[in-house]
Amino acid sequence: KQEVTQIPAALSVPEGENLVLNCSFTDSAIYNLQWFRQDPGKGLTSLLLIQSSQREQTSGRLNASLDKSSGRSTLYIAASQPGDSATYLCAVGAAGANSKLTFGKGITLSVRP
Amino acid sequence: EAGVAQSPRYKIIEKRQSVAFWCNPISGHATLYWYQQILGQGPKLLIQFQNNGVVDDSQLPKDRFSAERLKGVDSTLKIQPAKLEDSAVYLCASSSQVFEQYFGPGTRLTVT
Repeated sequence: KQEVTQIPAALSVPEGENLVLNCSFTDSAIYNLQWFRQDPGKGLTSLLLIQSSQREQTSGRLNASLDKSSGRSTLYIAASQPGDSATYLCAVGAAGANSKLTFGKGITLSVRP
Repeated sequence: EAGVAQSPRYKIIEKRQSVAFWCNPISGHATLYWYQQILGQGPKLLIQFQNNGVVDDSQLPKDRFSAERLKGVDSTLKIQPAKLEDSAVYLCASSSQVFEQYFGPGTRLTVT
């Protein structure tokens, strides 16, 4: 059974800092990995999708990496801003026709002005 | 393009009552998912449809939850009767062949 872990549960940083959010998973037989952002009381916004054959994806100030062999992914946020404050969820997509996502509990990020 | 639509956004009911949620996926997306997100947790898949067929409902409490996707487009998730532990946000998502999932705003259910 796939398990996804995100530690720490919460993180507070000053504005402008570069930061890394970590995600680990137990079963390396994955199809893809997706990072989401969730604002309070809202749904999930997809940030980056990495296919299992890829090592990283970039979008603006965000960069996500994937190391399947070690069961780890990182989300790098450059020059953090108060608007980046949200919960960041990592989700692993199952291999095969069933594209079920298994989520971590998320990391709540607070960027202080 | 329009995103995933869900209604209602909020619902408060008493235990043992019934409730239904509606989802309209992104146009052309064959796969539709219902997730349950309890406060402080990541979303948990309840049921996955491919067109109007069920792919995975292994975590759906079938004694009280049911879902259907008529004509392979809209979907409805029903709870009958509701329990206190069903209080959660119910998220609908859809995807095309590349499996990137797009989520709706969710329905926040409070059972009192």
